[in-house]
Amino acid sequence: QKEVEQNSGPLSVPEGAIASLNCTYSDRGSQSFFWYRQYSGKSPELIMSIYSNGDKEDGRFTAQLNKASQYVSLLIRDSQPSDSATYLCAVNYHAGGTSYGKLTFGQGTILTVHP
Amino acid sequence: EPEVTQTPSHQVTQMGQEVILRCVPISNHLYFYWYRQILGQKVEFLVSFYNNEISEKSEIFDDQFSVERPDGSNFTLKIRSTKLEDSAMYFCASSEWGGGGYEQYFGPGTRLTVT
Repeated sequence: QKEVEQNSGPLSVPEGAIASLNCTYSDRGSQSFFWYRQYSGKSPELIMSIYSNGDKEDGRFTAQLNKASQYVSLLIRDSQPSDSATYLCAVNYHAGGTSYGKLTFGQGTILTVHP
Repeated sequence: EPEVTQTPSHQVTQMGQEVILRCVPISNHLYFYWYRQILGQKVEFLVSFYNNEISEKSEIFDDQFSVERPDGSNFTLKIRSTKLEDSAMYFCASSEWGGGGYEQYFGPGTRLTVT
């Protein structure tokens, strides 16, 4: 069973701080990693994708991938109250080199940014 | 900005009835997906679809479920005989291409309530 694990939180940070969200995955065959944001009652909204080791930055968001440790993280700089949501880590596994895009999601981390 | 749309936003049905959930993927996307999220649980993959064929399906996607691309724009999920446990949010997603390297964009979802 391929697993994607996240700390469910809640993670509470003050406005302006850096929020750090973590995700681990079980299968070394994983190739693609995504972070989605989900507001309560809404659908997942894509924030970042990352495919190779290292950091990828997009505005206030930085995704970090370490395939050796099977670990992916999301940093949110200058956190705002509007960032309060559940953050979902999603992983695509390539079985035998074949993938049709199936995403396996973690449980999500609830982030609360307080003024 | 192109987006995935879904109808209806909320569907209430009685156990044993058939329901059809509709989706219009982003126009230049070639891969389509259905996911579901039971309240308080993870987002779960149901099926991926490409070139008028199912590419991959999960254990959840049994004989009660079917998908179809009835025309050039719509993508549907049919549940033949609904059960109480089918109550969930159903999300349609699409990506430009398949494989793990292409980002999936989610529609707003259909909340299915089976009574």
